[in-house]
Amino acid sequence: ETGVTQTPRHLVMGMTNKKSLKCEQHLGHNAMYWYKQSAKKPLELMFVYNFKEQTENNSVPSRFSPECPNSSHLFLHLHTLQPEDSALYLCASSQDGQITGELFFGEGSRLTVL
Amino acid sequence: EDQVTQSPEALRLQEGESSSLNCSYTVSGLRGLFWYRQDPGKGPEFLFTLYSAGEEKEKERLKATLTKKESFLHITAPKPEDSATYLCAVQASEGYSTLTFGKGTMLLVSP
Repeated sequence: ETGVTQTPRHLVMGMTNKKSLKCEQHLGHNAMYWYKQSAKKPLELMFVYNFKEQTENNSVPSRFSPECPNSSHLFLHLHTLQPEDSALYLCASSQDGQITGELFFGEGSRLTVL
Repeated sequence: EDQVTQSPEALRLQEGESSSLNCSYTVSGLRGLFWYRQDPGKGPEFLFTLYSAGEEKEKERLKATLTKKESFLHITAPKPEDSATYLCAVQASEGYSTLTFGKGTMLLVSP
């Protein structure tokens, strides 16, 4: 596989469920990101990991919990979400988290919270 | 606070009808301005990086230009396969800075 892969592509969950989104990059990059994309809104940065260390937490509610076990894998653990959390969650990677704005995105995980 | 405003929100063109998309930005100091293309149900795909006023980049029917306040994405003789949402983002030059995105322009090219 090449590029950035996200699973699952679609997820429906209740407000009391616990689920996780997974992202894997095969580009040899050192930085990984989670973005949220809602209709009619700009992409919202949630978390940044640079060399496995979290360097950005953009005031994200604690019901979203990221995990980065190595430079190639990124998870977003979800629990007790709200309906307004329904959105497209995009994972991205870049060579370096501080210098470049050239991001490589996955196809996203479409989340629906009932 | 960095800001990016894209216009129009949506644009419908006939095949072959050239036009331009606008990205106006406010940033304390510009490290780079980035254009992305996003197809429905997909993640954004990187197109161009522009670093300084006067710079231009081209790719097939697309040309991106940059001034101190805005960037244009010119589309020459578009084809239906150019239909997508085009996103603009800026990165400030101060210290550690992440991207600030605009809401995008949805382009539809009809045959």
